[in-house]
Amino acid sequence: EDQVTQSPEALRLQEGESSSLNCSYTVSGLRGLFWYRQDPGKGPEFLFTLYSAGEEKEKERLKATLTKKESFLHITAPKPEDSATYLCAVQRDSNYQLIWGAGTKLIIKP
Amino acid sequence: DGGITQSPKYLFRKEGQNVTLSCEQNLNHDAMYWYRQDPGQGLRLIYYSQIVNDFQKGDIAEGYSVSREKKESFPLTVTSAQKNPTAFYLCASSMRHEKLFFGSGTQLSVL
Repeated sequence: EDQVTQSPEALRLQEGESSSLNCSYTVSGLRGLFWYRQDPGKGPEFLFTLYSAGEEKEKERLKATLTKKESFLHITAPKPEDSATYLCAVQRDSNYQLIWGAGTKLIIKP
Repeated sequence: DGGITQSPKYLFRKEGQNVTLSCEQNLNHDAMYWYRQDPGQGLRLIYYSQIVNDFQKGDIAEGYSVSREKKESFPLTVTSAQKNPTAFYLCASSMRHEKLFFGSGTQLSVL
């Protein structure tokens, strides 16, 4: 069964303390992996798409990487405004449907 | 500004009542989607539409209905057959099979 698991469920960091969020997946055929950011009471906002193992993408303090089994979202020297829930989704190559993880809630304390 | 507009932001449903959630986009996207978000769970697909006058059931379509009469609009009706409707509902659109753009969501609660 296709599945996406994000860990940890929640992560509390001090401002400036770098860390990584994990997205592990099992899918019969991967077309792409997406990362989104969601603020409370709002819709998710697109961050990155990764298509092949070894690919990396960066945006400000965030860097996403992809292997054949998982993706990491690395956050470097985070600021309080980086606090949000980060969602991961994998897209099947057979029917283009997305399978979503439950998200990691990131809290950055000043 | 281009984007997706969902309304209302908050909605309350009485027992036995049907309610309709609005979703409008001006991004000229062909595909539109409705997702349900519950605490601690991933987004679940209710319905999607790849083209006007056509739509398909997602993973949890029971108790919901949609229409796609215009490219810009994809309203969702939560019927009285949906026994556990309390959730955060998200509408999204995309160019075919590409990244999704989401609206700001509708929180539906039962009175």
